[in-house]
Amino acid sequence: DAGVIQSPRHEVTEMGQEVTLRCKPISGHDYLFWYRQTMMRGLELLIYFNNNVPIDDSGMPEDRFSAKMPNASFSTLKIQPSEPRDSAVYFCASSFIPAPTGELFFGEGSRLTVL
Amino acid sequence: KNQVEQSPQSLIILEGKNCTLQCNYTVSPFSNLRWYKQDTGRGPVSLTIMTFSENTKSNGRYTATLDADTKQSSLHITASQLSDSASYICVVGSRTGGGADGLTFGKGTHLIIQP
Repeated sequence: DAGVIQSPRHEVTEMGQEVTLRCKPISGHDYLFWYRQTMMRGLELLIYFNNNVPIDDSGMPEDRFSAKMPNASFSTLKIQPSEPRDSAVYFCASSFIPAPTGELFFGEGSRLTVL
Repeated sequence: KNQVEQSPQSLIILEGKNCTLQCNYTVSPFSNLRWYKQDTGRGPVSLTIMTFSENTKSNGRYTATLDADTKQSSLHITASQLSDSASYICVVGSRTGGGADGLTFGKGTHLIIQP
């Protein structure tokens, strides 16, 4: 399996623009997670899905953030409008067994810079 | 409050030397503890997962220990190689604590191996 695939790997945009990050989980994994990583706060859970259904989005910082999972092989994280404080690395991860038991498999991340 | 504290924040050692990274946690109830390795610009990759009944687990030159009584874990790297240069993240799982995913992440130890 190719692992969790994220795109784009790098995104530079200007404040106010819409940003869409994409993720393809490992086939057969029913759980998909979106994390944000910064130097100050480390890895933080934004939202996770089970069988394409959002289970908990309490980590989504503001209404500017939204996530969807239209099918088992694709998810998006959208930021609209983007702000400089959104600059971070965004990771998608998937697992076969639910957290906290299941092992998480992370993608390579999308590094977002908002100018 | 559930917390995972890692020390040191950063460490520089010479190639071939051994080192030990520390992880202290206050997460309760405890389910498991994981160590991840994160190369620069990459996603975290799991090294070990330990449950309550396990007090040591090895993965090649990496050996993790767990003392559930004192709520401490360590990651020992033997005969370090340049490829060990990375951040090492300690993550504690709890069925009722932590984030919505039941996981509490440390901020990591940044390890640099010098030739």
